[in-house]
Amino acid sequence: DAKTTQPPSMDCAEGRAANLPCNHSTISGNEYVYWYRQIHSQGPQYIIHGLKNNETNEMASLIITEDRKSSTLILPHATLRDTAVYYCIVRPYNTDKLIFGTGTRLQVFP
Amino acid sequence: GAGVSQSPSNKVTEKGKDVELRCDPISGHTALYWYRQRLGQGLEFLIYFQGNSAPDKSGLPSDRFSAERTGESVSTLTIQRTQQEDSAVYLCASSPVNLQGNIQYFGAGTRLSVL
Repeated sequence: DAKTTQPPSMDCAEGRAANLPCNHSTISGNEYVYWYRQIHSQGPQYIIHGLKNNETNEMASLIITEDRKSSTLILPHATLRDTAVYYCIVRPYNTDKLIFGTGTRLQVFP
Repeated sequence: GAGVSQSPSNKVTEKGKDVELRCDPISGHTALYWYRQRLGQGLEFLIYFQGNSAPDKSGLPSDRFSAERTGESVSTLTIQRTQQEDSAVYLCASSPVNLQGNIQYFGAGTRLSVL
């Protein structure tokens, strides 16, 4: 299974961009990168996913390096409600489950 | 529309008792997943359903754990003879089909406390 490495915690000022890195150096060519977040006492919430190209939606942008060994989730204008644990997940092609690590705890401060 | 619904939201039980946790997936979602999250940790996969069949039960921690799904809808996770180490939040997710690039939608979970 491809594994991911994320910093355990990060801080970000409200209104600034939050850039959350993720390393996945053993990723295979047909494996997607997913980002979920979990706000305290809630179930995980899907944010974005991608394969090779950069992706953007109403919540965030996902930048994947050309060699696909790392990616960055960008929250363009962080708010206090973005305080959560952010999980970067590489879903193995031949499996049906998401394998969660310990994620990055993002604290947005006023 | 309605999201994934789990009940009860909280369950307190005594060691040795059986418990049933329920998951109502999003209507029309054929894939359903159960995960467990211990305090301060990430999610552990338990079991996956495609329709009413469970092609992957690899995450069930012991034979005390079982799950079923009926009508390609509601799923029940049963834990027999509960132990204190079973205390955790049990999360259910559903998705339209099981494909790469597909999104899993999670419920709020059931917090199980075994005394």
